[in-house]
Amino acid sequence: ILNVEQSPQSLHVQEGDSTNFTCSFPSSNFYALHWYRWETAKSPEALFVMTLNGDEKKKGRISATLNTKEGYSYLYIKGSQPEDSATYLCAFQTGANNLFFGTGTRLTVIP
Amino acid sequence: DVKVTQSSRYLVKRTGEKVFLECVQDMDHENMFWYRQDPGLGLRLIYFSYDVKMKEKGDIPEGYSVSREKKERFSLILESASTNQTSMYLCASSLLSGQRDTQYFGPGTRLTVL
Repeated sequence: ILNVEQSPQSLHVQEGDSTNFTCSFPSSNFYALHWYRWETAKSPEALFVMTLNGDEKKKGRISATLNTKEGYSYLYIKGSQPEDSATYLCAFQTGANNLFFGTGTRLTVIP
Repeated sequence: DVKVTQSSRYLVKRTGEKVFLECVQDMDHENMFWYRQDPGLGLRLIYFSYDVKMKEKGDIPEGYSVSREKKERFSLILESASTNQTSMYLCASSLLSGQRDTQYFGPGTRLTVL
């Protein structure tokens, strides 16, 4: 089982603040890096699939960057809103079908 | 929209019972997966299937088996449930084998074994 680490474990921010968190993964055998958002009582929802070193992806106020050489990805949320409250998961894919998930960053946005 | 459904949101079973968790996807995906999620740990892969009647062990297959008789349905079986199998179980599917495809998840089944 590969080691995928996410930090911080949890985060509380005020509405309107921007925030970011980190996913660290092995720098060898990279195939793809996935980001998911998991709201309480709902299904995890895919945000991004990142495949190339230097990739930047954006979806509304959420964006992500990827550095495969050093083994990390950042997720940024600009102007956090209460509906952004969720656990954000990253998953490292080495090929084939296996995803190795981090433990997630739990974000709470305080109105 | 891809829809992945799981048969139960909450389930309570007794030690030693045989337990079936069912998962259905409606988008003709080749791959289906079963994960479990425990506090302080990431999602861990139990089994996956890349075609009907095909299955592969994941990272923690002990105590579980699976069945995929039809493309849209993937069942997880706990042959004799034990208290250490109390967990949240998530099913997922993805389109093609060996690709960088998004996995689509069901809402999860929270299983308690007493």
